[in-house]
Amino acid sequence: LAKTTQPISMDSYEGQEVNITCSHNNIATNDYITWYQQFPSQGPRFIIQGYKTKVTNEVASLFIPADRKSSTLSLPRVSLSDTAVYYCLVGDNGLTGGGNKLTFGTGTQLKVEL
Amino acid sequence: DADVTQTPRNRITKTGKRIMLECSQTKGHDRMYWYRQDPGLGLRLIYYSFDVKDINKGEISDGYSVSRQAQAKFSLSLESAIPNQTALYFCATSDLTSGSSNEQFFGPGTRLTVL
Repeated sequence: LAKTTQPISMDSYEGQEVNITCSHNNIATNDYITWYQQFPSQGPRFIIQGYKTKVTNEVASLFIPADRKSSTLSLPRVSLSDTAVYYCLVGDNGLTGGGNKLTFGTGTQLKVEL
Repeated sequence: DADVTQTPRNRITKTGKRIMLECSQTKGHDRMYWYRQDPGLGLRLIYYSFDVKDINKGEISDGYSVSRQAQAKFSLSLESAIPNQTALYFCATSDLTSGSSNEQFFGPGTRLTVL
């Protein structure tokens, strides 16, 4: 399983765009990049997943360069309720026999202030 | 009603006691997982199951056992609880047929304290 590295913490203000970058130098061909959000004392919640280039949904965008050794989660116009821990995970999609064995690192604590 | 439920939500027990944490899901998913989370840390996988007849160890299975009684139920047992098993435990599910998705659905967690 590829190891990921992301900042321990980030601070932002309401209405700003937040970009959290994750590096995963040893990503394998079958690996997807997945981001989760976790609020205190709650289970993580899936945000977005991608394999390459750019993926966008109603919550966030995920930018993945051609070499796939890093990825950037972009949260547009954050609000106080976006204060949470964000995890970058790399793993295969489970179809190659490895299962959805996701490895959660320590994540990035995002704090949004007024 | 929640799709993934865990019981109990909180439990305080003593060293040496046997404890069972239960997880039920109504999502119809094949795959189920048990994780533990320690303060300030990420989640670590304890066990996972792809279907009723399949059980696999995760990265920290020592001291734990599991039972997949049905597609919808996955129980985690601590045969003889010890204080360093004090943690927040999460159950999760995922859908085998979802193709490329690594989306897992997590329960609300069980806070276990071993004295």
